[in-house]
Amino acid sequence: DVKVTQSSRYLVKRTGEKVFLECVQDMDHENMFWYRQDPGLGLRLIYFSYDVKMKEKGDIPEGYSVSREKKERFSLILESASTNQTSMYLCASSSGAEGYSPLHFGNGTRLTVT
Amino acid sequence: SQKIEQNSEALNIQEGKTATLTCNYTNYSPAYLQWYRQDPGRGPVFLLLIRENEKEKRKERLKVTFDTTLKQSLFHITASQPADSATYLCAHSWGGGTYKYIFGTGTRLKVLA
Repeated sequence: DVKVTQSSRYLVKRTGEKVFLECVQDMDHENMFWYRQDPGLGLRLIYFSYDVKMKEKGDIPEGYSVSREKKERFSLILESASTNQTSMYLCASSSGAEGYSPLHFGNGTRLTVT
Repeated sequence: SQKIEQNSEALNIQEGKTATLTCNYTNYSPAYLQWYRQDPGRGPVFLLLIRENEKEKRKERLKVTFDTTLKQSLFHITASQPADSATYLCAHSWGGGTYKYIFGTGTRLKVLA
């Protein structure tokens, strides 16, 4: 089974801090994604990557950046955390070049910015 | 703009009955529909995928239909059990190197014993 591991389940950070969310997958998947999930808004794509060092903006990239130096690892960076970035962050991976491959999600990081 | 709607935020049914969840889309024609299950505090887990040229897909007690005329997908759980209680998400994708998936906001299903 594919395993997507997010390094923290819960994080509490202060406004203005730089925050790193880490995600590792163990199935050699080409594609990795970062979503945030908010009540009533569903899952919204922040960034995705289809190869090492490659990245594409999703629907809500403002205030975020990403890094993919190795195939198995995809990091989300909040450059200067703000309270409106309090959310559940979900990492996912998928295989193949097709855009219909099922997404495999981690269990999420619940981030609170105070 | 492209939009996907799961018009029931919550659904309660009695154990043993069939649960039917609805997913509607507007302003576009997705090539694929996917359904996921999400338990509290967990990430979504993939259940089923159906292509636009497939009318129906089954997996054990699960059945998904895709009606491109109505722009709708129905997700059925037959002989429902309390363990089926969860939030169910539908998602659309296009394939062909496009990695955009649009998710609905989910339907929270509760199966009553």
